[in-house]
Amino acid sequence: GAVVSQHPSWVICKSGTSVKIECRSLDFQATTMFWYRQFPKQSLMLMATSNEGSKATYEQGVEKDKFLINHASLTLSTLTVTSAHPEDSSFYICSASLPGANVLTFGAGSRLTVL
Amino acid sequence: GQSLEQPSEVTAVEGAIVQINCTYQTSGFYGLSWYQQHDGGAPTFLSYNALDGLEETGRFSSFLSRSDSYGYLLLQELQMKDSASYFCAVTRAGNMLTFGGGTRLMVKP
Repeated sequence: GAVVSQHPSWVICKSGTSVKIECRSLDFQATTMFWYRQFPKQSLMLMATSNEGSKATYEQGVEKDKFLINHASLTLSTLTVTSAHPEDSSFYICSASLPGANVLTFGAGSRLTVL
Repeated sequence: GQSLEQPSEVTAVEGAIVQINCTYQTSGFYGLSWYQQHDGGAPTFLSYNALDGLEETGRFSSFLSRSDSYGYLLLQELQMKDSASYFCAVTRAGNMLTFGGGTRLMVKP
């Protein structure tokens, strides 16, 4: 089955610093990966669609200059939260699907706390 | 725009049957999925309905009526470990998922 690995699982950083989160498809190639954000006791909100070899597509209201997405290979997408602030503290989750499948597999998520 | 409605909380006892409903309004509908998420964990896939009808997987079943823009997840023989949040999600073009607000299920002994 499809396995998506996400790292780090949790990170604490100071306000103003940047944090990079990695998302890897371990046993399949993913031309598309999705990044979600989830605040406590809320739903998952799609932030952006990461496309291998091209620019990410951001959802309305998501600042592309703040949430940098790079999808340089078929197995790796990264999300960099730049100049993080306390309001960016959240659970960030990536997902991908096997080619032709309708099921998304999620990474374990990365809990970001900005002090 | 896209919107999905599901109850925010449901409580049931062990061994019981619970149905979690989901209604949706969306463009570009491909199917309805259900995901389970335990506190602090990532969502895990439960079921997917592209066509009308009932899909059964063990203790869990999912139903879809495209004409009514409605679906439900049925959990039978509830166990304590089923306490979690359950999300319905609409699949759109390109495998994009839009999630409902989630239903927190509490199973009591």
